[in-house]
Amino acid sequence: AQRVTQPEKLLSVFKGAPVELKCNYSYSGSPELFWYVQYSRQRLQLLLRHISRESIKGFTADLNKGETSFHLKKPFAQEEDSAMYYCALSSGTYKYIFGTGTRLKVLA
Amino acid sequence: GAGVSQSPSNKVTEKGKDVELRCDPISGHTALYWYRQRLGQGLEFLIYFQGNSAPDKSGLPSDRFSAERTGESVSTLTIQRTQQEDSAVYLCASSFKAGGGNEQFFGPGTRLTVL
Repeated sequence: AQRVTQPEKLLSVFKGAPVELKCNYSYSGSPELFWYVQYSRQRLQLLLRHISRESIKGFTADLNKGETSFHLKKPFAQEEDSAMYYCALSSGTYKYIFGTGTRLKVLA
Repeated sequence: GAGVSQSPSNKVTEKGKDVELRCDPISGHTALYWYRQRLGQGLEFLIYFQGNSAPDKSGLPSDRFSAERTGESVSTLTIQRTQQEDSAVYLCASSFKAGGGNEQFFGPGTRLTVL
């Protein structure tokens, strides 16, 4: 069955420290992976997708098919990065499977 | 331009009552999704609409849940005989077209509380 696992409910880091939000997935085919973010009092929005291989707001994520992971990374965390982050998987159809989310707190 | 809107933003109801939640997608977006997010849980897929095709209702948790969409515009999610376990945030999202890889634009959600 398709599944997305985000093992950390809460991740606290100090400003300037590296950040890694973990995401593991279970899917037998070739998935498309996404990271969505929800800042305080804002709606859920797309942060990045693996097919774009882009860096958004300093964040990157690499799809590792061997480890079935799509971890989100940023070398130097900023206070404005504090938010709720959701990893999502699409099997190429319209259906998306979302993880339970990780709340990132960047401490001053 | 206007994003996805949902109403009401909050709804408190008594167990056993029916509720109707509304979603206005972005104009021109053919695909529309409803999700449920219970406290501490991920987004749970409920139903999907694509143009005039038959909707995918496979995520609806029971026959108390139903949804409609008129063409490529407004959608309503109806929950009949609400139960306390229906308490959650109901999110609507739309995308320009169907298919994986297409960005979903989310509404602000409706927080439903069933007493």
